[in-house]
Amino acid sequence: DAKTTQPPSMDCAEGRAANLPCNHSTISGNEYVYWYRQIHSQGPQYIIHGLKNNETNEMASLIITEDRKSSTLILPHATLRDTAVYYCIVRVGQTGANNLFFGTGTRLTVIP
Amino acid sequence: GAGVSQSPSNKVTEKGKDVELRCDPISGHTALYWYRQSLGQGLEFLIYFQGNSAPDKSGLPSDRFSAERTGGSVSTLTIQRTQQEDSAVYLCASSLTGGAGYGYTFGSGTRLTVV
Repeated sequence: DAKTTQPPSMDCAEGRAANLPCNHSTISGNEYVYWYRQIHSQGPQYIIHGLKNNETNEMASLIITEDRKSSTLILPHATLRDTAVYYCIVRVGQTGANNLFFGTGTRLTVIP
Repeated sequence: GAGVSQSPSNKVTEKGKDVELRCDPISGHTALYWYRQSLGQGLEFLIYFQGNSAPDKSGLPSDRFSAERTGGSVSTLTIQRTQQEDSAVYLCASSLTGGAGYGYTFGSGTRLTVV
């Protein structure tokens, strides 16, 4: 699976949009981009995923560049409860793929 | 159940003792994963079960670690002769299949402390 690069930490003011970048320059055509987050003392929580089109759900939006070498997770109105470590993962989308590789992620701190 | 359930939530054990950690996945989920997370670190993959296929054990750090999944549902991770470096949070996740269309649902983990 392709590796990802994320900034180690970011701050965001409460109520503002949080834009979390991820580089995945070696991504293959059949690899999906997944985002998870881990709030302190909890297991990781699935947020969103996509292949090449932008995606939106009730939690966030995922913007994938046309060349798919990078993506941005957008939390439109960050709250204090969004403070967490955010993981960007790329993985081949096929049954039998063995696991998700979680790197060190981006620690997002939402500031009151 | 509604989510992935892990037990116990906390376990303190003496060095050299064996421990068993339990994971109840979401009903109907065919894929089950074990990860561990040491303090301040990312998640380390341990083992993966998919249906009736042979498990992928490539992440198990030593032969002291083993896991089984009975009846395609509940899984038990066993650590024999525990060492202090085994101290970590052990996380279990399940997904409907192993495919990319379905995200993982994680449990809250078992915090293992070896003293």
